[in-house]
Amino acid sequence: ETGVTQTPRHLVMGMTNKKSLKCEQHLGHNAMYWYKQSAKKPLELMFVYNFKEQTENNSVPSRFSPECPNSSHLFLHLHTLQPEDSALYLCASSQDLASGSYEQYFGPGTRLTVT
Amino acid sequence: GENVEQHPSTLSVQEGDSAVIKCTYSDSASNYFPWYKQELGKGPQLIIDIRSNVGEKKDQRIAVTLNKTAKHFSLHITETQPEDSAVYFCAASRNQFYFGTGTSLTVIP
Repeated sequence: ETGVTQTPRHLVMGMTNKKSLKCEQHLGHNAMYWYKQSAKKPLELMFVYNFKEQTENNSVPSRFSPECPNSSHLFLHLHTLQPEDSALYLCASSQDLASGSYEQYFGPGTRLTVT
Repeated sequence: GENVEQHPSTLSVQEGDSAVIKCTYSDSASNYFPWYKQELGKGPQLIIDIRSNVGEKKDQRIAVTLNKTAKHFSLHITETQPEDSAVYFCAASRNQFYFGTGTSLTVIP
């Protein structure tokens, strides 16, 4: 509906598992973002990519590893997560970081549960 | 860095009444202020935004006002309807978005 899709929508994983979240945008944007949404907390920016280059890593633990193979796709690779990493992970996109067009469009999110 | 505070955290109104949600920010260099609506099981959806060179913007039943001097901005929803029930987030941005903690709005039929 917003032009940003995320898969899977729900994921349950053990602390020793390795999994990946996928995001795809169909808006022709060049900037993509990963956010973490936890209950009662503001959305936390994790990573920013602009024209496939990472421009922001907001002190995210190394057990989260982003990948941006092209401007339309963004991945978040997960390994040896902790229960406190359980949250809704949101992907967003915007035109780019320099155009002055600030609007960010979000996907539906992946609900991650770490057991 | 920027600090965005949002109030109230929950709000219940009767259908047809108005709802107002307020946010304050700390960084006077912030120049873009979007509002998002998040329904259950969905991602945040941009509903209205305002830039720092504008004091007010309106889109049908939704309006946003910005007071740069006081560093606060507000979302106004008039003639509320049950489908307005959702969580609303404000944000302030200079180059990175800083979000408020959200307001859960319930419109009672």
